[in-house]
Amino acid sequence: DIQMTQSPSSLSASVGDRLTITCRASQSISSSLNWYQQKPGKAPKLLIYAASSLQSGVPSRFSGSGSGTDFTLTISSLQPEDFATYYCQQSDSSPYTFGQGTKLEIK
Amino acid sequence: QVQLVESGGGVVQPGRSLRLSCAASGFSFRNYGMHWVRQAPGKGLEWVAVIWYDGSIKYYADSVEGRFTISRDNSKNTLYLEMNSLRVEDTGVYYCARHDIFAPHGSGNYMAMNVWGQGTTVTVSS
Repeated sequence: DIQMTQSPSSLSASVGDRLTITCRASQSISSSLNWYQQKPGKAPKLLIYAASSLQSGVPSRFSGSGSGTDFTLTISSLQPEDFATYYCQQSDSSPYTFGQGTKLEIK
Repeated sequence: QVQLVESGGGVVQPGRSLRLSCAASGFSFRNYGMHWVRQAPGKGLEWVAVIWYDGSIKYYADSVEGRFTISRDNSKNTLYLEMNSLRVEDTGVYYCARHDIFAPHGSGNYMAMNVWGQGTTVTVSS
């Protein structure tokens, strides 16, 4: 099975900050990497698919990059509504594993 | 509008069974693969199972293989998860999600879970 490791597990930041979350796969997954945002008590929401493609309706301050085993999610200028937990997920092969999550909190 | 609505959650004793349902509307259900994803209290997301659009292929997480069965009824636009021999560690919110295929820049097909239900809560406790 492919293991997904996110870092950091938690992060404190301020409105307007630029931040990056990292996700590493235990083996190459090409560009088969998705990013989701989840707010408390809500279902996850797809932000980025295929490592770098922005899902329709998602603000352009979100971007993704990487291929192979190393990936990043960047938020260029944090907005109040961005404070949430973020998960990467590999879609290369079953089981379609998620990273452990990165909780983004307000500083 | 496109919608997934889960139901069937509840409180059940260890070793017992439960069946979850996910009713789809607003899209052509028979054309999409579907997933179940769960989340234990205060924990991260765990992928559980997937079923192809026609039910021909099913995959499971190791943690539920042999105990859970994913199925679908395309005539009823409904996805199911039959959960047997339930354990305390199966407790959590269960989401169904639609398996979407994207082809960015014509560079191949990529899967992502693009539509999610609101979740149904399963509690396994004696």
